[in-house]
Amino acid sequence: AQTVTQSQPEMSVQEAETVTLSCTYDTSESDYYLFWYKQPPSRQMILVIRQEAYKQQNATENRFSVNFQKAAKSFSLKISDSQLGDAAMYFCACTISGTYKYIFGTGTRLKVLA
Amino acid sequence: GAVVSQHPSRVICKSGTSVKIECRSLDFQATTMFWYRQFPKKSLMLMATSNEGSKATYEQGVEKDKFLINHASLTLSTLTVTSAHPEDSSFYICSSRQGGATGELFFGEGSRLTVL
Repeated sequence: AQTVTQSQPEMSVQEAETVTLSCTYDTSESDYYLFWYKQPPSRQMILVIRQEAYKQQNATENRFSVNFQKAAKSFSLKISDSQLGDAAMYFCACTISGTYKYIFGTGTRLKVLA
Repeated sequence: GAVVSQHPSRVICKSGTSVKIECRSLDFQATTMFWYRQFPKKSLMLMATSNEGSKATYEQGVEKDKFLINHASLTLSTLTVTSAHPEDSSFYICSSRQGGATGELFFGEGSRLTVL
């Protein structure tokens, strides 16, 4: 069975600073996808970044980047130059290729301090 | 990206009544929609997968007679919480995806149900 673990219930970062959110996962499959989703207060969840397991290169999207360590089954999210609008719940998720099931972690609430 | 809209965003009902939540894909055809339940400070729990024109697939432990799912068209799926009880109070979120199974999920705004 797949599991996704986020060990940081809450994190804080000063505006303009960098923060890293941790995520570990467990799966016996070799072909899977990892995601970070953002859920702002009272707003829809949106995709932040996606990583295909077969790709060695870490995904990046503007200020967001991941550190994908496949052997360690670790998938952390780094947010650079943090902005007030980055404050939200962040969920790490995993899905096996060809399936519809997404397994989500318990989330990390990120606070951005002005 | 694709747009998924959910309605209502908040609903309060009396115990014993039924509540319907709608999930619409606004700019794409959604043959499959997913219904999640989110508890406070908890992760999203997949309740069921809604398939257009066929029966929904429920996850283990989810009562199909309590949580009725209908996916009558390619743009609309509904979740009806029947005979609601206070323990059904929760945040319900629908989502769908475009393309293959590896595509991102597009989420609705969520519906907060409070059963008095």
